Amino acid sequence: SQQGEEDPQALSIQEGENATMNCSYKTSINNLQWYRQNSGRGLVHLILIRSNEREKHSGRLRVTLDTSKKSSSLLITASRAADTASYFCATVYNFNKFYFGSGTKLNVKP
Amino acid sequence: ETGVTQSPTHLIKTRGQQVTLRCSSQSGHNTVSWYQQALGQGPQFIFQYYREEENGRGNFPPRFSGLQFPNYSSELNVNALELDDSALYLCASSLAGLKTFTDTQYFGPGTRLTVL
Repeated sequence: SQQGEEDPQALSIQEGENATMNCSYKTSINNLQWYRQNSGRGLVHLILIRSNEREKHSGRLRVTLDTSKKSSSLLITASRAADTASYFCATVYNFNKFYFGSGTKLNVKP
Repeated sequence: ETGVTQSPTHLIKTRGQQVTLRCSSQSGHNTVSWYQQALGQGPQFIFQYYREEENGRGNFPPRFSGLQFPNYSSELNVNALELDDSALYLCASSLAGLKTFTDTQYFGPGTRLTVL
């Protein structure tokens, strides 16, 4: 399968703590993206990291990519209750094909 | 809001029926992808349309078919509905070429299909 797989499946933390979720994949990719989904609605793009990049930041988000281990991690710092959502990594192949994992369900308790 | 709209929001059908779902792309985008998301799972790639031609397909049977129109809006048709087709159907638009990277897909809110 070309899908990424997220770990853990579920994560519960207190507001203000950091949340880390991981994504592993099996074959070479063009880029890897992270998306957020609230309560079964549409997905919202968070951040993209290309295969020749190792780390990217966007606000409270930090993404790393290790192509030798075929893995990526998403760190959300100083989490807020509004960050409660499901987070998916999408691995991109052949320029345009997106494959999503089953997601990490994050619960941030106030 | 991404500017991608889908209709209808919810739909209930019975097994064996046919359904058509619609997607309006974000302005300026030429590519539409469709995904099926079962409860508790990640979106599964159905197919993609680029400039009115199918440009890749996931592991879905031929009874899942699509169209893209000159204004880049799109339809997903599913024939002979099965109970397992119950899911959230998402479309996503993007700006891409056949050999260029798609940086980001912009998702619509989805259509919730229930098959009884």
